[in-house]
Amino acid sequence: DTGVSQDPRHKITKRGQNVTFRCDPISEHNRLYWYRQTLGQGPEFLTYFQNEAQLEKSRLLSDRFSAERPKGSFSTLEIQRTEQGDSAMYLCASSLSTSGGEQYFGPGTRLTVT
Amino acid sequence: AQSVTQLGSHVSVSEGALVLLRCNYSSSVPPYLFWYVQYPNQGLQLLLKYTSAATLVKGINGFEAEFKKSETSFHLTKPSAHMSDAAEYFCAVQRGSQGNLIFGKGTKLSVKP
Repeated sequence: DTGVSQDPRHKITKRGQNVTFRCDPISEHNRLYWYRQTLGQGPEFLTYFQNEAQLEKSRLLSDRFSAERPKGSFSTLEIQRTEQGDSAMYLCASSLSTSGGEQYFGPGTRLTVT
Repeated sequence: AQSVTQLGSHVSVSEGALVLLRCNYSSSVPPYLFWYVQYPNQGLQLLLKYTSAATLVKGINGFEAEFKKSETSFHLTKPSAHMSDAAEYFCAVQRGSQGNLIFGKGTKLSVKP
């Protein structure tokens, strides 16, 4: 078990460009979560999947954001027309769908929009 | 709505001293509570979790936390701080029984030699 992995670890982009991040969860985990963390704050929930179904999206997830988990394994998070306010650490976590099941986090992707 | 409040954005202790990081929660249902640690430019690592099996929960690296329903608290402690404990610590409550985590703003722990 190699844990949750995320790619890339760092991304610098210019305002208005599109970016896509990838998350590979722990293999037997059927739940996958995306969070966003800005400097000095705790992570904030964006969206989560159970298998390939996207079950919930936060109001933080504007229409410029889209997430997929096509085969219930890895997931991608795309941000279109990036803005400077999108600069943050994007964290992925996975878990089993059990009550109180702990979420295991990846190392994150740090996005800087210039 | 569920929420957590971490008291003190920054705590500084001497090496070997007691570590106490405070967390209070708000929940209308029995909560699932977690403590995570984050080292610079890294993801979050689970320290321990409370799921109602026992009020005193032991975690990794010598940390433990006590669930006190009457005080709606879940404070994190360690008897003797090490330099390697310097990091940011986050308390979180799970939304419902299987939902996303709701995090506090974090407490940065500094350890002085």
